[in-house]
Amino acid sequence: KAGVTQTPRYLIKTRGQQVTLSCSPISGHRSVSWYQQTPGQGLQFLFEYFSETQRNKGNFPGRFSGRQFSNSRSEMNVSTLELGDSALYLCASSLVGTVSTDTQYFGPGTRLTVL
Amino acid sequence: GQNIDQPTEMTATEGAIVQINCTYQTSGFNGLFWYQQHAGEAPTFLSYNVLDGLEEKGRFSSFLSRSKGYSYLLLKELQMKDSASYLCAVRDLRGSTLGRLYFGRGTQLTVWP
Repeated sequence: KAGVTQTPRYLIKTRGQQVTLSCSPISGHRSVSWYQQTPGQGLQFLFEYFSETQRNKGNFPGRFSGRQFSNSRSEMNVSTLELGDSALYLCASSLVGTVSTDTQYFGPGTRLTVL
Repeated sequence: GQNIDQPTEMTATEGAIVQINCTYQTSGFNGLFWYQQHAGEAPTFLSYNVLDGLEEKGRFSSFLSRSKGYSYLLLKELQMKDSASYLCAVRDLRGSTLGRLYFGRGTQLTVWP
């Protein structure tokens, strides 16, 4: 079974631009969570989607948004990029999400650099 | 928010045993996970504890004490490839019936020959 895939793997943008990252979960998994990982803050939860609905949201500004499609694939968007948005963005999928004893499986991440 | 504490760095030698501790504070505890993350790679699942006690999986074991808000990951017969960051994560139902994972900042383990 294929793992979680994320595209693109690397991205360089400039301040003020916007970016869209994509995540395809493991086949059969319906929940997708997004995290931001930086050396200073570690893994920070962004949001979780299940059946095309956002179920949980972390403490990030409204510039960070996401969505999930009917095939469970998810995208996250960051508008008006700031230097501090440079990070590794990780997507994790699980069968039904954090309501159960599900295990989250992570994708390889997208390394975003904002210049 | 959550308080999940784990040491920033640890070192050990090949063949040795190392214990990585994690303490947490939560009112809606619903499970604790350990992940391993090699540099530049995604975190990979190691273990899950929701009840008190020890879970053993080959060279790796994880222990949980809910009353003490404490867990540890025990790595035996260390190998060079075990050099990685080890992340402790707690599922918390507080404020939500759904729960979400809160991660510690990770413990960077270096294994020396």
